[in-house]
Amino acid sequence: ETGVTQSPTHLIKTRGQQVTLRCSSQSGHNTVSWYQQALGQGPQFIFQYYREEENGRGNFPPRFSGLQFPNYSSELNVNALELDDSALYLCASSLETGGRSPLHFGNGTRLTVT
Amino acid sequence: GDSVTQMEGPVTLSEEAFLTINCTYTATGYPSLFWYVQYPGEGLQLLLKATKADDKGSNKGFEATYRKETTSFHLEKGSVQVSDSAVYFCALSDGAGGTSYGKLTFGQGTILTVHP
Repeated sequence: ETGVTQSPTHLIKTRGQQVTLRCSSQSGHNTVSWYQQALGQGPQFIFQYYREEENGRGNFPPRFSGLQFPNYSSELNVNALELDDSALYLCASSLETGGRSPLHFGNGTRLTVT
Repeated sequence: GDSVTQMEGPVTLSEEAFLTINCTYTATGYPSLFWYVQYPGEGLQLLLKATKADDKGSNKGFEATYRKETTSFHLEKGSVQVSDSAVYFCALSDGAGGTSYGKLTFGQGTILTVHP
């Protein structure tokens, strides 16, 4: 069983640039969620995708956007990067969209904005 | 809104000591509760879960009981090992099926270091 994989593992961008992060969900999982984890903090929910539709969003501005593809893989796009966007971005997949199904996390993408 | 509060760390213990990490929550409805563990350089791994009041989640010697009356989900282990050194996160999910999307709300994390 293949777990959740994310790419790239590390990324350095300049303020104002745009970035795309990628996630392959665990086999059989149709729901993907994205989280932002600032240094020393717990992860914060960005949004969730279920069957290619956004299915819930946290308190993040519209410059954070996403996609889910027919194979359930997903992308997180961030436009107009700010210094505070520097964080570990975690992708998680699950079997269903409700809260009973545990999330399976990838190892994350470390984004540094300079 | 929903929130999770964990005891502040870091926590430093000797091998074979007893571990408690406190976690309390605020939520409407009937959330599911989780403990996740994060080892250095890795993502989060589910450690245990409980989906209703009085349920006890357990895994790898760790236990936590869903206490609705005290809104708590404290993590315990009777005898810690060096390999348990990691960051531990308490979390709740607002999902109960239906139209809810089950987002996780995390606590701030507790760093545990176990010395030989």
